[in-house]
Amino acid sequence: QVQLVESGGGLVKPGGSLRLSCAVSGVSFSDYYMSWVRQAPGKGLEWVSYISSSTGLTTYADSVKGRFTISGDNAKKSLYLQMNSLRVEDTAVYYCARDEGSEPLNCWGQGTLVTVSS
Amino acid sequence: EIVMTQSPATLSVSPGERATLSCRASQSVSSNLAWYQQKPGQAPRLLIYATSARATGIPARFSGSGSGTEFTLTISSLQSEDFAVYYCQQYIKWPRTFGQGTNVEL
Repeated sequence: QVQLVESGGGLVKPGGSLRLSCAVSGVSFSDYYMSWVRQAPGKGLEWVSYISSSTGLTTYADSVKGRFTISGDNAKKSLYLQMNSLRVEDTAVYYCARDEGSEPLNCWGQGTLVTVSS
Repeated sequence: EIVMTQSPATLSVSPGERATLSCRASQSVSSNLAWYQQKPGQAPRLLIYATSARATGIPARFSGSGSGTEFTLTISSLQSEDFAVYYCQQYIKWPRTFGQGTNVEL
């Protein structure tokens, strides 16, 4: 059974940094296709970033481009989201999800809360 | 970016009734349309992909239809566990975009 577990969320001041992790189990991680999706409190879903290990493609929402970096580690079976220059509007629950072209966002983690506040 | 618009924002139904949710795309997404269900305090769950294919474990009372710019999610006979927020999402172009959600309530 595939399981995704996010960690690394917390309270950070505007302008600060955080690195989120997503540990993957129950499935091979040699080739991975993964996204980060976030949800601000009481709001809808916003796709943030995607990575394909097979093509090397990474892509970002305009709202985070140049500030966030997605990456993965096959050996550790983990996905990461490095978040720099954080803004108040980045406050959200961040979910990692498997994102295969044929079946998008087919498995989600439980989410980790990031709060950006002074 | 492709803008996804869902209607209605809130749908009030009774158990056993049929629910029809709509999703419109600002440009054609072909059949690259998915639906997700989210219950309070939980992560979203994939229900439907490729417009009409049910994800693993999804009951047959959930069905999707449409193409191009107009899509529908139908729940044929609402069960108590189906009261939730439903989101559509296009995945033909980057950035992936979601609709604002439809809250299906009792």
